[in-house]
Amino acid sequence: GEDVEQSLFLSVREGDSSVINCTYTDSSSTYLYWYKQEPGAGLQLLTYIFSNMDMKQDQRLTVLLNKKDKHLSLRIADTQTGDSAIYFCAESLAGGTSYGKLTFGQGTILTVHP
Amino acid sequence: GAVVSQHPSRVICKSGTSVKIECRSLDFQATTMFWYRQFPKQSLMLMATSNEGSKATYEQGVEKDKFLINHASLTLSTLTVTSAHPEDSSFYICSARVSGGVHNEQFFGPGTRLTVL
Repeated sequence: GEDVEQSLFLSVREGDSSVINCTYTDSSSTYLYWYKQEPGAGLQLLTYIFSNMDMKQDQRLTVLLNKKDKHLSLRIADTQTGDSAIYFCAESLAGGTSYGKLTFGQGTILTVHP
Repeated sequence: GAVVSQHPSRVICKSGTSVKIECRSLDFQATTMFWYRQFPKQSLMLMATSNEGSKATYEQGVEKDKFLINHASLTLSTLTVTSAHPEDSSFYICSARVSGGVHNEQFFGPGTRLTVL
C-alpha cells in the first residue's frame, strides 16, 4: 500500500534556506506534490513534479526527486516568517481505482524565527 | 484561479443531529470531488471520492450510512454527517479535481470545523 513519511518539525532562522524531506513507498506514483497549510485553513498547492523529472524550480522553491530512493525534498530559499506553516507532501497514483487519490504525509511544521 | 468554497466554515451542533457541509467549485467544473478528514496536528485522511451523477466511493473503514455524500452537479458536492457524535468532531476538507486537468490538479476548500457537543 501507499505510505508517505515526513519529518515532523523544522525550525530555521529568517533568511536561511529550509529543506523539508519526504519519502514514499509506491513506485507507481505519477505526480508528487507539496502543499502548504496555514492554521485553520485549507491546503494551498505550492508545486508539483512529474515522476520522470529530477528537479523543478519555481522562484524560491526547488523540488528534488530521487526516484530510485523514493525521496522527495522541498527547498525554500530565503525563508520568511510568512513561510511558517505545515507542509505536506503527497503522491498521486497512476490509475485504476486509485486514480486521482492523493496520499499525504503527516506534515512538517516549519517554524521561522526572526 | 480555481477556487473551491466550503460552507459553513464552522459549525457546532448537539449530539444526535445531522450536519450538512457544502463544497463548491466556483469557477470550474469538477466531475470528481474528494472529502478528507483532518485531526489536530495530523495528516489528511481521505474519506471518500465523490463523482458527479454516481455513487460515492468510500475508503475502508468509513461508514457510508453515517457520512452521506451527494454530488448532484458539476460544481457542488455535499457531505452530511448523520446522527453526529462527539467523536465526529474534526476538520473536514474537500477538494475538487479539474475536469480534463493535466496533472490531476486538485484544489482544496478552506475546510469546515465541526464540533459536536
